[in-house]
This record gives sequence, structure tokens and C-alpha cells, in this order.
Amino acid sequence: AQSVTQPDIHITVSEGASLELRCNYSYGATPYLFWYVQSPGQGLQLLLKYFSGDTLVQGIKGFEAEFKRSQSSFNLRKPSVHWSDAAEYFCAVAMNYGGSQGNLIFGKGTKLSVKP
Amino acid sequence: EPEVTQTPSHQVTQMGQEVILRCVPISNHLYFYWYRQILGQKVEFLVSFYNNEISEKSEIFDDQFSVERPDGSNFTLKIRSTKLEDSAMYFCASSESGQLNTEAFFGQGTRLTVV
Repeated sequence: AQSVTQPDIHITVSEGASLELRCNYSYGATPYLFWYVQSPGQGLQLLLKYFSGDTLVQGIKGFEAEFKRSQSSFNLRKPSVHWSDAAEYFCAVAMNYGGSQGNLIFGKGTKLSVKP
Repeated sequence: EPEVTQTPSHQVTQMGQEVILRCVPISNHLYFYWYRQILGQKVEFLVSFYNNEISEKSEIFDDQFSVERPDGSNFTLKIRSTKLEDSAMYFCASSESGQLNTEAFFGQGTRLTVV
């Protein structure tokens, strides 16, 4: 069965420092992978997605993620974190091949805190 | 920018009572979804809905749950006879199509507390 693991529950970084949030997936075929962000009081917002092709994908707000099939990982990165990036980040995989972006399996999320 | 809106933002209900969580999807969207997140746990898929019927549902979505699009604009999740373990954040989402390359937009969630 498909699953997503985010090993870090809570990460704190200093403003301006680089960030990497880890995500590992379990999926039998080529996965369709997503990163969402949830700011306090807000809904889930799509940051980026990977379907195929270039394994380094660019998203909004300066985020990028790299798909590594050999490691079953899809880690999210940002070179310089801003205080407004403090939020909860969710990695997700599409439930079925050919399914919609609404049928997703999410990880537990990683809460990011940013120190001034 | 169009957005998915959910009401109420927080609802407290007594165990055994029925609750209806409401969602207004983006107006030209055709696919609708409900997810829930129990505190400290994963966001879990509940159900997807298209063309006035359920297209997919998870094991969580048992007979106590139902969904409806009563008036062409709202999309509701009804929980009959709520249990303590139904306490969670419930997210609604909608997408224009059922294709993977079409983004699903999520609402801000309704926090349901069953006491």
C-alpha cells in the first residue's frame, strides 16, 4: 500500500538559513508527488508537484524539491528561509495511478518554526 | 482569487449528535473531496464526489458519513451520531477535473470537537 513518511515532526531554523524537509514514500509504480503548506488558519496550498521528467522541480515561494527514485525520497528545499515560511508542510502521493489530485495520501506533516 | 470556503471554522457538538460541515467549492469545479486530520496524525482521504455521486471513498467513510451537494453550490459532509473519535480538522477540496495535472484547492478546514 502507498504511504508517505515525514520523519521530522518539528524543525526550527534561523531566518536566512537553508532548509530541507524530508519525505519518503512507498509506492509500487512511478509516484505522483506533492508538497503542500498550511499556514495557521489557512487551507492547504500546493507548493509544487512531480509527475515525470526533470527530477528537480521548482515551486512557488522559492521552494524546490528533488525526486530520488533510488532513495524513494522527495525532499523539499529552500536556500534561504523567511519568517513567513513558518507553517506546517505536508508531503503527499497520489492515491491511484490515473487518479485525481484530490485523492492523495498525506504524510503527518512537519512543522517549521523560524527563529529571527 | 477564487477559493474554497468552509463553515463553520470550529464546531463543538455533543457525542451522538448529528453535524453538517459545509463547503463552498470554487464555482467552475466539478470534483469535490473531504479529508480529515485527527490531531497529531496524518491528513486522511475520506471521499471524492463527482456528478452527484461518490466516486471513491476510504475505509473511514462508513455509514455514519454522507455527502451531498444540495443546491449546486454547497458541498456538505454529514456525520450522524458523532463519536469522540470524530474530533478532527475536516478539509474540503475541489478541482476542475479529475486529471492528475489539475490542482485540487483546499479550504481552511473546520475543526470539529465532539464532547
